[in-house]
Amino acid sequence: DIQLTQSPSFLSASVGDRVTITCRASQGIRSYLAWYHQKPGKAPKLLIYAASTLQSGVPSRFSGSGSGTEFTLTISSLQPEDFATYYCQQLNSYPHTFGGGTKVEIK
Amino acid sequence: EVQLVESGGGLVQPGGSLRLSCAASGFTFSSYWMTWVRQAPGKGLEWVANIKQDGREKYYVDSVKGRFTISRDNAEYSLYLQMNSLRAEDTAVYYCARDSAYRSDYWGQGTLVTVSS
Repeated sequence: DIQLTQSPSFLSASVGDRVTITCRASQGIRSYLAWYHQKPGKAPKLLIYAASTLQSGVPSRFSGSGSGTEFTLTISSLQPEDFATYYCQQLNSYPHTFGGGTKVEIK
Repeated sequence: EVQLVESGGGLVQPGGSLRLSCAASGFTFSSYWMTWVRQAPGKGLEWVANIKQDGREKYYVDSVKGRFTISRDNAEYSLYLQMNSLRAEDTAVYYCARDSAYRSDYWGQGTLVTVSS
């Protein structure tokens, strides 16, 4: 199975900060990577797919990049509604594994 | 509006069985792969299984192979997860999700399964 390692696992930031989360795959997954965020008690919400394509309706402050084994999610200016846990997921091969998550909290 | 509503969760003893359902609306159900994802209390997301549009291809995570069965009824716009030989480590919120070109773009609100004596 492909392992996804997210870093950091915890991040403390302020409103307006630029935030970057990294996701590394144990083997190449081309660009078959998606990013979600999840707030407590809620279902995950898709932000980015195909590594860099913004899902419809998602604010443009979110962006994704990378291919192969290294990927990043960037939030250009953190907003109060962005404090959540972020997950990457690979859809290159089965099982479609998730990373361990990055919790973004208010500093 | 796309809606996915899970049901069927509850408390079950170890070794028991449970069948989860996911009722879909707002899109042509038979045109999409569908997925189950679970989340143990306080833990991250775990992909469980998915099923092709016509039900002829199914994939599972190793930890549930031979115990869980994913199925669908396109006429009823419904997705199912039959869970047998349940273990304590299967305790989780189970989400159904619609798959669209290498992403899960819509998710239900989840249903909680608790395996405990």
